[in-house]
Amino acid sequence: AQSVTQLDSQVPVFEEAPVELRCNYSSSVSVYLFWYVQYPNQGLQLLLKYLSGSTLVESINGFEAEFNKSQTSFHLRKPSVHISDTAEYFCAVNTNAGKSTFGDGTTLTVKP
Amino acid sequence: DTAVSQTPKYLVTQMGNDKSIKCEQNLGHDTMYWYKQDSKKFLKIMFSYNNKELIINETVPNRFSPKSPDKAHLNLHINSLELGDSAVYFCASSQREGREQYFGPGTRLTVT
Repeated sequence: AQSVTQLDSQVPVFEEAPVELRCNYSSSVSVYLFWYVQYPNQGLQLLLKYLSGSTLVESINGFEAEFNKSQTSFHLRKPSVHISDTAEYFCAVNTNAGKSTFGDGTTLTVKP
Repeated sequence: DTAVSQTPKYLVTQMGNDKSIKCEQNLGHDTMYWYKQDSKKFLKIMFSYNNKELIINETVPNRFSPKSPDKAHLNLHINSLELGDSAVYFCASSQREGREQYFGPGTRLTVT
């Protein structure tokens, strides 16, 4: 069985401040890790993924996440957020068997 | 062209009715999914199909029946709708099991 815990349900932050959204997982097998973003009234969009290789992965809009196997974490970071980053963020864990588990989501609110 | 499309976008119906939601993907993916997102934004996988075969069937009432006529389509039929079925339903697809998923825009179902 696998599980995903997003440690913060809501993260308010001021514009241009750094942010970290925390994600921990547990699994008895190797996993693939993902972050998805959901803007209001839209579907989820892939933000970044870790399949193998370098443990630090980056997105095109400045987010990055680091896979830490010993701490079973995949925290999402951005050094300077914009108002447009306001959204719901989901951490997800997949196995090769296709089982997908999503965290409960973190609401990121960027204030001016 | 939309990668994953769903129809209808909104569905308002009365308790006891039967309704269907259609999903199509033009990405050539092998795997398709249905998710339910409740009012608190929690995302729960309902079904997963790989090459038209049911792979995952989570604890979902028998009133929900997925149908995959071909690899590009996965429809969801719901019988005897109940108030608790009100939610946003998302279709998604992935190249194969375990890989990143591409989500449709969602269908907001309201049961009155």
